[in-house]
Amino acid sequence: GAGVSQSPSNKVTEKGKDVELRCDPISGHTALYWYRQSLGQGLEFLIYFQGNSAPDKSGLPSDRFSAERTGGSVSTLTIQRTQQEDSAVYLCASRPTNTQYFGPGTRLTVL
Amino acid sequence: AQSVTQLDSQVPVFEEAPVELRCNYSSSVSVYLFWYVQYPNQGLQLLLKYLSGSTLVKGINGFEAEFNKSQTSFHLRKPSVHISDTAEYFCAVEQGGSEKLVFGKGTKLTVNP
Repeated sequence: GAGVSQSPSNKVTEKGKDVELRCDPISGHTALYWYRQSLGQGLEFLIYFQGNSAPDKSGLPSDRFSAERTGGSVSTLTIQRTQQEDSAVYLCASRPTNTQYFGPGTRLTVL
Repeated sequence: AQSVTQLDSQVPVFEEAPVELRCNYSSSVSVYLFWYVQYPNQGLQLLLKYLSGSTLVKGINGFEAEFNKSQTSFHLRKPSVHISDTAEYFCAVEQGGSEKLVFGKGTKLTVNP
């Protein structure tokens, strides 16, 4: 079956611009996660959605980062006023019960 | 807070040699344990997981791992590696009920001919 998909696969932007990254989870998966993978930092948890509950935003690094999940399916991670330190691979994962399945990621480069 | 330590950042081995990638975690409270593999420019793929039951778990591509509660370890092993196993391997732990994974820093496995 179809896995988790993310778009775009690569995004190059200029410092100060806003970007939106999209995640399409596996159909029927109730939980959705965003992670950031950067050199030297490993995989950092950003935000977690579970059903209709309020999202767990405890990993968001600043108020420039936000995410929403519409209709319990597609999610968008928005980074406002991007900075060079935001350059990283952003990974999305979805989960039915106890295992997370990851998408291919979006590589964000902020010039 | 839970933490995960992968003791080796890089492991070079020759083809057909055995390999062990080490993983230790900080809390012995009920945990779920995972190994993921990341090939260049790809996302993470689940190799294997321990949720409960037998402490020896087998995964894809001939990998296996053993849960050792007393040593809080979950080392990954393969008896004979192939060039195609060259990738980065991540150990991850979910503390029971948290529904969030904590990842180690990763181990880059390089298999040389």
